[in-house]
Amino acid sequence: DIQMTQSPSSLSASVGDRVTITCRASQGVRSDLCWYQQKPGKAPKRLIFGASGLQGGVPSRFSGSGSGTQFTLTINNLQPEDFATYYCLQHNTKPLTFGGGTKVEMK
Amino acid sequence: QVQLVESGGRVVRPGGSLRLSCAASGFPFRNYGMHWVRQPPGKGLEWVAFTLYDGSYQYYGDSVKGRFTISRDNSKDTLYLQMNSLRVDDTAVYFCAKDTSGYGIDYWGQGTLVFVSS
Repeated sequence: DIQMTQSPSSLSASVGDRVTITCRASQGVRSDLCWYQQKPGKAPKRLIFGASGLQGGVPSRFSGSGSGTQFTLTINNLQPEDFATYYCLQHNTKPLTFGGGTKVEMK
Repeated sequence: QVQLVESGGRVVRPGGSLRLSCAASGFPFRNYGMHWVRQPPGKGLEWVAFTLYDGSYQYYGDSVKGRFTISRDNSKDTLYLQMNSLRVDDTAVYFCAKDTSGYGIDYWGQGTLVFVSS
């Protein structure tokens, strides 16, 4: 199985900050990676597909990059509604595997 | 718009069985693969199972293989998860989710809670 190592597991940030979250795959997954945002009690919401494609309706302050084994989610100009938990998902190989999550908290 | 509505979650004893359902609408259900993903309380996401658009192929995570069965009824636009030999560590919110044939999971239901306890 492909292991997805996500870091950090949590971070504290302020409104207006730039936030970077990384996922490392234990083997190459090409660009078959998505990023999701999840708020408490809610379903995950896809932000990024194909490692760098922005989901329709998602603000442009969210961006994704990477391919192979190293991926990054960047949030520019962090907004109050962005405080949430973020997950990466590789869908290159079954079983699909998620990163452990990154909780973005208010400083 | 895409809607996925899960049902069937409840409290069940260890060793028991349960069937979850997911009613789909807003898209041609019969054209898309579907997943079940679960999330234990306060923890991260774990992929559970996948079925191809026509039900001809299923794949399971190691932790549920041999105990859970994913199926679908395309005439009813409904996805199922039959869960047998339930264990305490199967306690989780179970989400059904739509596949995008090469671009991962796009839409998720709101989830249904399965609580396994004696």
